Amino acid sequence: NAGVTQTPKFQVLKTGQSMTLQCAQDMNHNSMYWYRQDPGMGLRLIYYSASEGTTDKGEVPNGYNVSRLNKREFSLRLESAAPSQTSVYFCASSPPGRRGATNEQFFGPGTRLTVL
Amino acid sequence: AQTVTQSQPEMSVQEAETVTLSCTYDTSESDYYLFWYKQPPSRQMILVIRQEAYKQQNATENRFSVNFQKAAKSFSLKISDSQLGDAAMYFCAYFDGNKLVFGAGTILRVKS
Repeated sequence: NAGVTQTPKFQVLKTGQSMTLQCAQDMNHNSMYWYRQDPGMGLRLIYYSASEGTTDKGEVPNGYNVSRLNKREFSLRLESAAPSQTSVYFCASSPPGRRGATNEQFFGPGTRLTVL
Repeated sequence: AQTVTQSQPEMSVQEAETVTLSCTYDTSESDYYLFWYKQPPSRQMILVIRQEAYKQQNATENRFSVNFQKAAKSFSLKISDSQLGDAAMYFCAYFDGNKLVFGAGTILRVKS
């Protein structure tokens, strides 16, 4: 049981390059999330997917696209990377939010992305 | 939109002493969840404690406890008998049933 896995762990891009961050979970969770973490700003939600086949914008979606490939996998794509997208990216998953449940989000180890 | 504020960028505590980290939030909802997450230098996000807004009793997990004041929209974390392993960044987070909103975090340093 690996939990939430992310690839790659580190990446350096040049401005204008594209790349896809991969995320997979093996906990049979419905909901998946992408966050970015910048110094002094905590984690900010980029996109989330409440269930397979649905995606919604979070707080900072500009410059990103997502794909919920199936229940296990949720990818984040940067079509044309910019230096402002230098950050640490976290994927997370959780069961459906409901009263009485733990509603805990489980996080992957993060991807450190640098855009030059 | 919901917001979460952690007013202490950094805190220090002596080993074995008690420290309290502050968190306030803004919401118009009556049913929601609050969390404290710990992020050590490894970057891994670890759940410390959770509180359901509909429960009046404050949550406790071993040395960690919260002071939840719903009317004041305050959710502080108390760490008793602090240990060196408690040194980390701590994030307060609000969950509306759909997504989490995080505060900016508080760095906790533990002195031996």
